[in-house]
Amino acid sequence: SYVLTQPPSVSVAPGKTAKITCGGDNIGGKSVHWYQQKPGQAPVLVVYDDSDRASGIPERFSGSNSGNTATLTISRVEAGDEADYSCQVCDTSSGHRRVFGGGTKLTVL
Amino acid sequence: EVQLLESGGDLVQPGGSLRLSCVASGFTFSTYGMSWVRQAPGKGLEWVSTISGSGGSTYYADSVKGRFTIFRDNSKNTVYLQMNTLRAEDTAVYYCAKDRVAKDTNWFDPWGQGTLVTVSS
Repeated sequence: SYVLTQPPSVSVAPGKTAKITCGGDNIGGKSVHWYQQKPGQAPVLVVYDDSDRASGIPERFSGSNSGNTATLTISRVEAGDEADYSCQVCDTSSGHRRVFGGGTKLTVL
Repeated sequence: EVQLLESGGDLVQPGGSLRLSCVASGFTFSTYGMSWVRQAPGKGLEWVSTISGSGGSTYYADSVKGRFTIFRDNSKNTVYLQMNTLRAEDTAVYYCAKDRVAKDTNWFDPWGQGTLVTVSS
């Protein structure tokens, strides 16, 4: 089955840029979606189809995908961006299964 | 505004059964697939199951195949997850989510608030 690998944690100072990666075999050939989850809350879609921002998501959030790595970039990080971020793909080779990465905890220093 | 409201979570003994419900509003329910995604305590997200808008197609994660059944009642704008032969490892918050589709891919937006299932003796 298809596996997505994320770093467990990323730390960044306020105002700086955070990059959260999602690794997978030829992930550049798939569409990647990203979710933000704050403690005690349901996940929220932030980026879909590699680089399209979901409704209501600030322009500071952007996505890219190439080769074996997809990246969620958060510019001018704010304290309110502290959350868990998870990537997700649809593994069409295994019958429409959806696959999530393990999640990355973003800490704003 | 799209709203998804789950219910049915409870404490159940290993080997027991439980049915979760998710009532949707704010969109034409029958034209969208719906999914269940779970999150064990302190763990990441795990896709569980998806059903097409008509209910004619269903998909399951290997971890629940043969034990869980997803179905829907479009007249009630409700999707269900029937969970049988529950195990301790099924303990999680279960989220209902609207399935979004594009060429060769699917994503989840929005999500409900979740309902907690605890499997323990």
